[in-house]
Amino acid sequence: DGGITQSPKYLFRKEGQNVTLSCEQNLNHDAMYWYRQDPGQGLRLIYYSQIVNDFQKGDIAEGYSVSREKKESFPLTVTSAQKNPTAFYLCASSIGGSFPYGYTFGSGTRLTVV
Amino acid sequence: KNEVEQSPQNLTAQEGEFITINCSYSVGISALHWLQQHPGGGIVSLFMLSSGKKKHGRLIATINIQEKHSSLHITASHPRDSAVYICAVGGSQGNLIFGKGTKLSVKP
Repeated sequence: DGGITQSPKYLFRKEGQNVTLSCEQNLNHDAMYWYRQDPGQGLRLIYYSQIVNDFQKGDIAEGYSVSREKKESFPLTVTSAQKNPTAFYLCASSIGGSFPYGYTFGSGTRLTVV
Repeated sequence: KNEVEQSPQNLTAQEGEFITINCSYSVGISALHWLQQHPGGGIVSLFMLSSGKKKHGRLIATINIQEKHSSLHITASHPRDSAVYICAVGGSQGNLIFGKGTKLSVKP
């Protein structure tokens, strides 16, 4: 079955450490997205990529980095520069273009800084 | 002001009740999504619509483009419908702009 796999489901990180969240899709989607969810807030866009080897900052990109070396993979690194990294992170993909067809979400990674 | 506003924020219903969740948006959109998020956090897309009305089982979604308003209805609600329902509109880069969600609790 096609879908998006995010791993791990739960992640604990010490302050000052970088951590990478994995997102893999086998839907052959061109576009991939990373969103952050905080309690009582809507999801906010961190980074997105419409094509391999290209990505764009979203609304809250500071303290995060991404890469898109393969169509099926879009890992997100939460760096030590991110002031408040504890949150729920969701990866999504779509067919691409300006019309959000085929939007599919992963099951999320809950990151806690200890 | 948020670009996507949902109401109510929280909703408690008795099993069997008809439920309506509203979404208003202030930006031009290509499409509107209704999403369901269960306590574990995973999100499922319920509907994507750009005009009119769609129905799937006990769920009905409508959109009025002129009024920039959409509604999600649940008929004959059931405790398994308890979840957070999120409205999202298509942004200019294919991303989605999300409302804060409506937390629905259906009591048996």
